[in-house]
This record gives sequence, structure tokens and C-alpha cells, in this order.
Amino acid sequence: EDQVTQSPEALRLQEGESSSLNCSYTVSGLRGLFWYRQDPGKGPEFLFTLYSAGEEKEKERLKATLTKKESFLHITAPKPEDSATYLCAVQNNAGNMLTFGGGTRLMVKP
Amino acid sequence: DARVTQTPRHKVTEMGQEVTMRCQPILGHNTVFWYRQTMMQGLELLAYFRNRAPLDDSGMPKDRFSAEMPDATLATLKIQPSEPRDSAVYFCASGFKQGTEAFFGQGTRLTVV
Repeated sequence: EDQVTQSPEALRLQEGESSSLNCSYTVSGLRGLFWYRQDPGKGPEFLFTLYSAGEEKEKERLKATLTKKESFLHITAPKPEDSATYLCAVQNNAGNMLTFGGGTRLMVKP
Repeated sequence: DARVTQTPRHKVTEMGQEVTMRCQPILGHNTVFWYRQTMMQGLELLAYFRNRAPLDDSGMPKDRFSAEMPDATLATLKIQPSEPRDSAVYFCASGFKQGTEAFFGQGTRLTVV
């Protein structure tokens, strides 16, 4: 059974204070690892897909990296508008379904 | 602007009533997912379809939940009878092929009293 564990559950940062979110996973053949952002009252919004160890993707202040056992979402000089819950999900080779972690709730204070 | 559309956005119903949630996937997407989100369990997969055929509904309580795709533009999730423990946000998502991202709707917030 695929499993995804995210840490920390919650993270408070000051504006400009860089940090990383962790996503540890076990999967029977990784087809893709996905990062989503979810704002309160809204559906998850797609950020990145990573396919193989060593791959990196960047978007504005966010950079996602992947190893064989975990993925990191690095946030550089965050702003209050980066406050959200960040979700990690894996997809195995057997099908399309995404298995999600519990998320990290990020709060960035001005 | 392609997006997944879910209706209704909010639903309050009494225990024992039937609830139907609808989803219009993004045009051209051949895979549709139903997820349920709660504070305790996070996002749980209930069912998913590829080319309108159900592939996995093992996450769904079979005695009360049912999911269908009458056509390529409509997916439905029904609960009959509803129970207070079904209170959650139900998300529909659609995708194109394996290895690509799924796009989520805004969800239906269900409250069963």
C-alpha cells in the first residue's frame, strides 16, 4: 500500500525566513510525485510534478526536489501570500490514483 | 478557462436523506476522481473512473455510496441514506493520462445533521 507522510504538520515563518517542507513516501513503483497548494475553502491547486530522483522544479519562490524516498518543497524568502496548506501526493505505476499526505499548513507572518 | 465544476458548493441535509453531488470534468480529460477531505483523515480517494468505466471504488462504503459517469461530461456521487459521519468536503478531480496531474474542483461541503 502506498504511503505518504508530510512534516511538519504546521510551520510558522516570518516573512523572508526560508525553510523546507518534507514529504516522505513509500510506493510500489513511482510514476510521479505531485505537489499541490490548498487555500481555505478551495480545492487543491497543482504546483509541480516530479518523476525521477534528482529532478528539480521551480516556480517563483518554490523549488521542489526528489530523492528515492522523499521530496522537499523549499520556500525561499516567503511572503504572507504563500500561506496555505501544501499537499504532496504519489502516483504508482499501476494506475492514475493519487495517494495524498496529510499536508503541511504554512503560515507566513509579515 | 478550463476547470472542473462541482455542484452544489454547499449542502445541508438531514440524516437519512439522499444526497447527490455532481461534477463536470475538464473537456478531454478521460480520468475522474472523487475524494473526500476531513480534518482527521485528510484527502481520501473514494472512487475513480477512466473513460467512464469505474476502476477503483474500494474507498467507498458500498452500502450507501454510489458513483457513476452517465456521460463524459458528468460524474455523480450519491449517498443514500446520508449519516452525520458523511459530513466532509467532497472533491472531484479530472486528469488526462497516467503520470500527469489531476485538476480539482472547488468541492462540495456536505453537512448532515
